[in-house]
Amino acid sequence: DAMVIQNPRYQVTQFGKPVTLSCSQTLNHNVMYWYQQKSSQAPKLLFHYYDKDFNNEADTPDNFQSRRPNTSFCFLDIRSPGLGDAAMYLCATSSGRRGPGYFGPGTRLTVL
Amino acid sequence: GDSVTQMEGPVTLSEEAFLTINCTYTATGYPSLFWYVQYPGEGLQLLLKATKADDKGSNKGFEATYRKETTSFHLEKGSVQVSDSAVYFCALSAHGSSNTGKLIFGQGTTLQVKP
Repeated sequence: DAMVIQNPRYQVTQFGKPVTLSCSQTLNHNVMYWYQQKSSQAPKLLFHYYDKDFNNEADTPDNFQSRRPNTSFCFLDIRSPGLGDAAMYLCATSSGRRGPGYFGPGTRLTVL
Repeated sequence: GDSVTQMEGPVTLSEEAFLTINCTYTATGYPSLFWYVQYPGEGLQLLLKATKADDKGSNKGFEATYRKETTSFHLEKGSVQVSDSAVYFCALSAHGSSNTGKLIFGQGTTLQVKP
């Protein structure tokens, strides 16, 4: 029944150690988004894929990368996590660019 | 640029009380408007949406009407329950050729409902 799945739900990494977060969807939506949500703040868009086209937000740090090998999967890579990257990372999908309807449960990243 | 402003929380109500969470927006053109709910430790769930002026979105007893003249999308519920305790986010998605489907969120309003 789950439509947008994120793994793992909780991720602990060390300062500077690369980490990859995973998102998959069963909706066959062509647009996938990654948002970062820090504690008690609103989610902030990092980047999105429209089909295979990657779209980076202007203020997304270079430390954050993404891959989308197929329609169903999208990955968020953090090359050298800093303490300030500790946050909830939310994946979302939509059909076309009419605004996302479906968010995953999120991955909470802790950086030690 | 586009922005969303919500009333500050926390909002604390007794069960069965009437709820209003104010939301106003600034945008060029005619955005789509959304309310999302986030329960502790979870992702966002779409609660309701409206895509054009005077549309009313509704779900699970919650309602919001897209008011172009006042640029508002206030969330209301006639009788809240303890299970409604959560953080509520108002958001917009711009239309037009440059639209990426990006959601711009308000700061969120925490609702606490006491039995």
